[in-house]
Amino acid sequence: DAGVIQSPRHEVTEMGQEVTLRCKPISGHNSLFWYRQTMMRGLELLIYFNNNVPIDDSGMPEDRFSAKMPNASFSTLKIQPSEPRDSAVYFCASSPLTGGFPRAFFGQGTRLTVV
Amino acid sequence: QQQVKQSPQSLIVQKGGISIINCAYENTAFDYFPWYQQFPGKGPALLIAIRPDVSEKKEGRFTISFNKSAKQFSLHIMDSQPGDSATYFCAARDGSYQKVTFGIGTKLQVIP
Repeated sequence: DAGVIQSPRHEVTEMGQEVTLRCKPISGHNSLFWYRQTMMRGLELLIYFNNNVPIDDSGMPEDRFSAKMPNASFSTLKIQPSEPRDSAVYFCASSPLTGGFPRAFFGQGTRLTVV
Repeated sequence: QQQVKQSPQSLIVQKGGISIINCAYENTAFDYFPWYQQFPGKGPALLIAIRPDVSEKKEGRFTISFNKSAKQFSLHIMDSQPGDSATYFCAARDGSYQKVTFGIGTKLQVIP
């Protein structure tokens, strides 16, 4: 099993540019989560999906952030326009249980730097 | 505002010693308390978890102690090893919303 696959691993972009982060969950998992990790705020849940449907996006910081899950094997997190304060590590995680987070498996993350 | 307060933020323990990380919460809707371990450059990985109707859970060298009345729980790592050096996160799940909140994390360093 390849685990949760995120791409790119590192992204450096200029302020104002659009950034798209990608995630392939583990096959058969029906819950998917996007997290952001920073030194100051730790791990924050941005949004999660069950069966490709967004359930809770209350953690999405602003309208500049959007997430989609067009099918069971792919999700994107988009930031448009990006700002320096968006710099963080973004994690995708998937779970085999609907809403059952505790068994979630994390990807290796995308380190985003906005300059 | 941290719903799950974790301390200390950093910890240095000698090899063979006991590492202790503490967490506290306020939300009584929390119904599941996992601990995650994260190595540099990796995503967090589930280490051990407990439900509030249990006061202690042990898996190998890792033990969670849970005090429901005090709304506190802790992770004990017995016989700490250099390979345990990582960042540890406590977390709590709100059963009403199926949302998990993480503590700020504890960076553990086990020195030989």
